[in-house]
Order: sequence, then C-alpha cells, then structure tokens
Amino acid sequence: SQQGEEDPQALSIQEGENATMNCSYKTSINNLQWYRQNSGRGLVHLILIRSNEREKHSGRLRVTLDTSKKSSSLLITASRAADTASYFCATDSNDYKLSFGAGTTVTVRA
Amino acid sequence: GAGVSQSPSNKVTEKGKDVELRCDPISGHTALYWYRQRLGQGLEFLIYFQGNSAPDKSGLPSDRFSAERTGESVSTLTIQRTQQEDSAVYLCASSPRTAYNEQFFGPGTRLTVL
Repeated sequence: SQQGEEDPQALSIQEGENATMNCSYKTSINNLQWYRQNSGRGLVHLILIRSNEREKHSGRLRVTLDTSKKSSSLLITASRAADTASYFCATDSNDYKLSFGAGTTVTVRA
Repeated sequence: GAGVSQSPSNKVTEKGKDVELRCDPISGHTALYWYRQRLGQGLEFLIYFQGNSAPDKSGLPSDRFSAERTGESVSTLTIQRTQQEDSAVYLCASSPRTAYNEQFFGPGTRLTVL
C-alpha cells in the first residue's frame, strides 16, 4: 500500500507562477524525499528533508515538513515549461524501503 | 560516470511467455531496488538487494516474479508466464547504501503483454 498521498492529483499553472503540492503520510519516518518524473520514465531526485528538519531550499524548490501533521509540501517558484512533470513524495519507514505516493501531475502553460 | 541503465527500453511479449529485464546500477552502489509502475500510478516496491543478497522480497506480486543480482552489479528481474496485468514500466534504482540516501533511477523498461 502507498504510504504517501500527494494532493492535488493534477495542477495546471501559467509560466512564472508558483506551484504548490502536498504530501501526507501515515507512519513515522526518518526522512522524506521528493522526486520528479518526466514522460513516465526514470525518476530524478529533487530534495531530501530529514525528520528533524522543518524547511529546506534547493534553487527554486522549497520543501516543508510537519511531522506532527505527517505532511510535507513542495513549492516550485517562478515555474517554467521544463517543470512540467509528475512529482512524487517518498517516505522511508525503515532503512531501505521507500514508499511512493501516486504523484501530482504539473502542467506549466507557456 | 554513467547512471543506472536498463534494457530493453521496451518489451512487447505474448501472454504466457517469460521475460527478463536487466538493470546495470551505478558502479559502487551496494543497494539496488526494483519497482513497478502501472499507468498513472505511483511506484510499487518489488525487491531490494544489499550486495548480492535480497533481504526483502515482500513486494514481488507472485511466484512468477524472481530477481537475482550477481557480482554486486547487474540485476535481472524475470517474469515467468507473463499475464496482461504485468504490463507496466519496471524501474530499477541504486543507492550507495540505504534509503537514507537518494535513489538513482534508470529510465525503466516498458513491458506490454498482449
């Protein structure tokens, strides 16, 4: 079963706007990761946030983690057409297995 | 340095045939993972290798699925007597040690069972 659930399922925004997606999970975690997938193929790691961190930045990406609510958010600022992709959160409940959500499909319109 | 590679990139087979999917992880990565992704869905964990051993095979959907890894490098996922519900993209990933690190994914093998 999937541990993480992303919300919304799909998001359509204009180039230059910000995109925000959320991830909720059920059990306690060590860290949470966000991945991007283009065209249904291999995933690319975006960012990892540890359970004792609350916020992390990487370029135009900002991730927050609220362990009390078991939720995380991914914000992409100043979106570009190249950001069009599916975004997945992944959580680990042990030292090797990642559980992925169903993903948020983001479409950035030119 | 090369990333994770998988072959073939696409495989079309007839129901009942056996298929072998190959994964070449990043050199030096001890952990290797197989996932299955059905259309429009997230990734389902299939199996994890640490070195050549597979401590967790719990995600394999049935006894028609098996995997092996040799020389702490190449891994092969074998699906026997394929069924239409096996149609999916099969993704392989490797990481230096464990899931505490990011996983590096291959491009996947798209399997279509007719």
